[in-house]
Amino acid sequence: QQQVKQSPQSLIVQKGGISIINCAYENTAFDYFPWYQQFPGKGPALLIAIRPDVSEKKEGRFTISFNKSAKQFSLHIMDSQPGDSATYFCAASSNNQGGKLIFGQGTELSVKP
Amino acid sequence: SQTIHQWPATLVQPVGSPLSLECTVEGTSNPNLYWYRQAAGRGLQLLFYSVGIGQISSEVPQNLSASRPQDRQFILSSKKLLLSDSGFYLCAWSVKTGIGQPQHFGDGTRLSIL
Repeated sequence: QQQVKQSPQSLIVQKGGISIINCAYENTAFDYFPWYQQFPGKGPALLIAIRPDVSEKKEGRFTISFNKSAKQFSLHIMDSQPGDSATYFCAASSNNQGGKLIFGQGTELSVKP
Repeated sequence: SQTIHQWPATLVQPVGSPLSLECTVEGTSNPNLYWYRQAAGRGLQLLFYSVGIGQISSEVPQNLSASRPQDRQFILSSKKLLLSDSGFYLCAWSVKTGIGQPQHFGDGTRLSIL
C-alpha cells in the first residue's frame, strides 16, 4: 500500500514532442505528490508538485495532471527539448505519516534532436 | 538561501573497511534530514531519517548506521563495509511544518566497494 508505481521505465521522444510519465498509488492518505528531475551524477531536484485538492498544475512546459478517484497522476512535458533528457521520479507523502517521500522507480527520458 | 553539502563526492573502499559520509545543511534550522541509497541510477531507498539531534529512525535493517550530532549535520557510518553497500548515497533535508514540504537533495556520494 506504500508503493508508488511509475511507468514507463524509459521513454524516447523527438524534440518538440510531448513526454508523458505516469504514476499510480494505493495509499489514500497521501497528500503531496512531487516530481523530481535527476541528471547523471547529481541529486534529484524538485521539478513541480501538486496536492490532491487540484486536478492540474502547470509550470512552464511542465504539467501535473492528478486523478484522485483513479489514484493516478502524471507528468507532461510539452515541447520536449534535448536538455530535458534526465531521469524523472514521481513521489508521494502523507503529512500524518511523517512526510516521508515514497518514490517511484524512475523513468529515463531521452529527447532526440 | 539554503544549501546542502555532501562529501566526499566519490569514494572507493575495500570490503571490511569503515565508512563515514557527512552531510551538512546551511541556511535553515531544525530541519528534517534523510539518507537515501540509489542503486543503478534508479529507485531511491530511504535508509534513515531524523527529526532532531540524536533522533534517528531506521527504515531498513542493514550494515549502516546514522547519527545527528548537531542540528544541521547528518552522518552515515559503517563499521565494516560489504560489497552490497556499493551505491549512490544521497542526503536530503526538509522543513518540518506544514503539509507537502519538499525534500531538497545534495549531489550525493558515489561509493564503490572493492
